[in-house]
Amino acid sequence: AQSVTQPDIHITVSEGASLELRCNYSYGATPYLFWYVQSPGQGLQLLLKYFSGDTLVQGIKGFEAEFKRSQSSFNLRKPSVHWSDAAEYFCAVGLYSSASKIIFGSGTRLSIRP
Amino acid sequence: EADIYQTPRYLVIGTGKKITLECSQTMGHDKMYWYQQDPGMELHLIHYSYGVNSTEKGDLSSESTVSRIRTEHFPLTLESARPSHTSQYLCASSGQNLNYGYTFGSGTRLTVV
Repeated sequence: AQSVTQPDIHITVSEGASLELRCNYSYGATPYLFWYVQSPGQGLQLLLKYFSGDTLVQGIKGFEAEFKRSQSSFNLRKPSVHWSDAAEYFCAVGLYSSASKIIFGSGTRLSIRP
Repeated sequence: EADIYQTPRYLVIGTGKKITLECSQTMGHDKMYWYQQDPGMELHLIHYSYGVNSTEKGDLSSESTVSRIRTEHFPLTLESARPSHTSQYLCASSGQNLNYGYTFGSGTRLTVV
């Protein structure tokens, strides 16, 4: 069965430090891949997506993610975090079918240390 | 500005009351979804619709019901609210394919006392 795993429930980094949030998926083919961010009390906002082509994708707010087929991973990175990046981050996998279904990971909470 | 709207943003009601959470989108999307999000952050799909007069139950069993009479409108109803229904409810929509993922509303935070 298709699944998305975010192994880190909660990460704390210092402001200005680099960030990497991990995501692994289980799927028979290359799926659509997404990262969403959720600020407190808000809905989810799309950060970036990957379908095909260049495996390093750029998103909004200075985030990027790299698709590694051999590792079934799609990790999110940012070279220097800001206090405003504190939020929940969800990795998601979209399945090719008429159902257009997206499966979400369980999320990683990011805290920023001043 | 948001293209998918949820009202109310916050709601506190007593046990046994009937409530309807509203969700409307202006993007002409055929597909719409309701998620329940618990305090541990995880999203649980409770209902979805692929078009007018089409509704399906999601992965998480829910006592709520939905309707899809118009493309842009996908309300969720609880006939008799209970404290166990306290949660955040997120509505989302998508186009025919996944090129743009899902667009989410801001959510409704429901508290049943």
